[in-house]
Amino acid sequence: AQSVTQLDSHVSVSEGTPVLLRCNYSSSYSPSLFWYVQHPNKGLQLLLKYTSAATLVKGINGFEAEFKKSETSFHLTKPSAHMSDAAEYFCVVIHSSYKLIFGSGTRLLVRP
Amino acid sequence: GAGVSQSPRYKVAKRGQDVALRCDPISGHVSLFWYQQALGQGPEFLTYFQNEAQLDKSGLPSDRFFAERPEGSVSTLKIQRTQQEDSAVYLCASSLEEGQLNTEAFFGQGTRLTVV
Repeated sequence: AQSVTQLDSHVSVSEGTPVLLRCNYSSSYSPSLFWYVQHPNKGLQLLLKYTSAATLVKGINGFEAEFKKSETSFHLTKPSAHMSDAAEYFCVVIHSSYKLIFGSGTRLLVRP
Repeated sequence: GAGVSQSPRYKVAKRGQDVALRCDPISGHVSLFWYQQALGQGPEFLTYFQNEAQLDKSGLPSDRFFAERPEGSVSTLKIQRTQQEDSAVYLCASSLEEGQLNTEAFFGQGTRLTVV
């Protein structure tokens, strides 16, 4: 069965510094992986997705993620954090082509 | 509409009461999903519709939960005899095509259900 593990429940960074949100996956075959962001009182929004094309995936708002099969990881990064990036981030794997399996989430705090 | 709309946004129910949660997907979207998000957790899959057909209801926690999409557009999630453990945010999502591999799921803001 597919699953994802988000290694940090909270990450705190200063504005302008890099962001790293960690995610490991478990899958018996090549997975399709996503990152979603959830701002307070807003719906979940897709940041980026990996579907076995390029291993480095670029998303919206300057985020990107790299699929590393050898490490079973799909970490989310951004070179420079902005205050508006403060939100909950979910790493997601797809099961049976339609069922999204969410991680437990990482809350990103951005200090001014 | 511009996005997925869910109503009500907030619902307080007394234990034992029946509730109905509505989802208006983006017009023309084939797929519709319901997820349950408990406090401090990631969303968990409840059920999947392709047009009016409910293809997967394996995530519904008990037979008190029932979902329908009779005309392949609006969907309703009904919970009978609510219990405190049903307290959660219920999220609806829709996508243009079948499944999720080649299309993007758009989520509504959710309905926060509190059972007292």
